[in-house]
Amino acid sequence: AQTVTQSQPEMSVQEAETVTLSCTYDTSENNYYLFWYKQPPSRQMILVIRQEAYKQQNATENRFSVNFQKAAKSFSLKISDSQLGDTAMYFCAFKLFSGGYNKLIFGAGTRLAVHP
Amino acid sequence: KAGVTQTPRYLIKTRGQQVTLSCSPISGHRSVSWYQQTPGQGLQFLFEYFSETQRNKGNFPGRFSGRQFSNSRSEMNVSTLELGDSALYLCASSLLTQGPSNTGELFFGEGSRLTVL
Repeated sequence: AQTVTQSQPEMSVQEAETVTLSCTYDTSENNYYLFWYKQPPSRQMILVIRQEAYKQQNATENRFSVNFQKAAKSFSLKISDSQLGDTAMYFCAFKLFSGGYNKLIFGAGTRLAVHP
Repeated sequence: KAGVTQTPRYLIKTRGQQVTLSCSPISGHRSVSWYQQTPGQGLQFLFEYFSETQRNKGNFPGRFSGRQFSNSRSEMNVSTLELGDSALYLCASSLLTQGPSNTGELFFGEGSRLTVL
């Protein structure tokens, strides 16, 4: 069975600074996806960034980047130049590539507060 | 393009009642999955439907059921409600479920907030 662990229940950062959210996972599979989803107070879950396990290059989306360490089963999210709109719950999630089933396994989440 | 639409957004029920929640996926998306979100248990997978067939099911009792219609719209039903069923129920849709074109991304609705009294 796969598990996802987010060890930081809450984080805070000053506007314009950089923050890193941690995520570790456990799986015996080789092909999978990893995601970071953001859930603002309005509740709608939005994809922040995606990483395919077979890709060695770390994914980047504007101010968001990941540090994917497959051997260590680590998938951290770095937010650069933090903005007030980044305030939200952030969930790390895992999905198997094989089979095509859309079952996401989520971590417990990290509540990020960006302060002016 | 309209996003994933869930109805109702809020509802209050009493123990023992049943509830039906609805989800309309993004146009063209044939996979619909459901998640339960609670403060204590976090986000947990309920089930997934594709082409009107349940493809995968989470570890929930039989009181939780669902279905998908030919237009890909999905409903989930919870019978004999318990206090612990109070949660935010999220629906997510996806374009493809198989093959290399599957980007893996799920698109979520805003959820249905169920309160059981």
